[in-house]
Amino acid sequence: NAGVMQNPRHLVRRRGQEARLRCSPMKGHSHVYWYRQLPEEGLKFMVYLQKENIIDESGMPKERFSAEFPKEGPSILRIQQVVRGDSAAYFCASSPKIDRGAYGYTFGSGTRLTVV
Amino acid sequence: AQRVTQPEKLLSVFKGAPVELKCNYSYSGSPELFWYVQYSRQRLQLLLRHISRESIKGFTADLNKGETSFHLKKPFAQEEDSAMYYCALKEAGGFKTIFGAGTRLFVKA
Repeated sequence: NAGVMQNPRHLVRRRGQEARLRCSPMKGHSHVYWYRQLPEEGLKFMVYLQKENIIDESGMPKERFSAEFPKEGPSILRIQQVVRGDSAAYFCASSPKIDRGAYGYTFGSGTRLTVV
Repeated sequence: AQRVTQPEKLLSVFKGAPVELKCNYSYSGSPELFWYVQYSRQRLQLLLRHISRESIKGFTADLNKGETSFHLKKPFAQEEDSAMYYCALKEAGGFKTIFGAGTRLFVKA
């Protein structure tokens, strides 16, 4: 079991480009959570998804950010027209359907996005 | 609103000394509380949950509802405990977990 897989590990984008971050949850996990970590800050909740459903996106910026978790394939966090302030580490976590995180999350290694 | 506060950004102790990483929370209901740890070059991982009342790697944490605290303690720190520690809160029955800003623990030889 490879755990939660995120790719790429590092992503460099120029201002105005699009960034796509991918997350494959642990085998058997159907709940995915995205968090963002800005320098010197803790993890901030962004969005919670189940297969084909966005359950809570209260932490997502209103513009330019979107997330999906299709029936097949990984969850995608998409940032359009990136700006320097989007530079951060983006972490994905997953949990089984049955406990919704009551036993804690399993985290991926994160994607470090740098906007130049 | 839910909030998790870790007042210390950095905590430095000598090997063998007791260590306490502070965590205070703000939540009106019954929270589920966690400690996560991130060792150098490794991913964030769950250390312990308050609900299981367990001791992991010598660490314990007691939920104090009166003081709304969930401090992490270890009687004798080891160099390999040096890491970033995050306190986290989840609504009972909910799904969103709120994290503190983290405390970097440095154990000196």
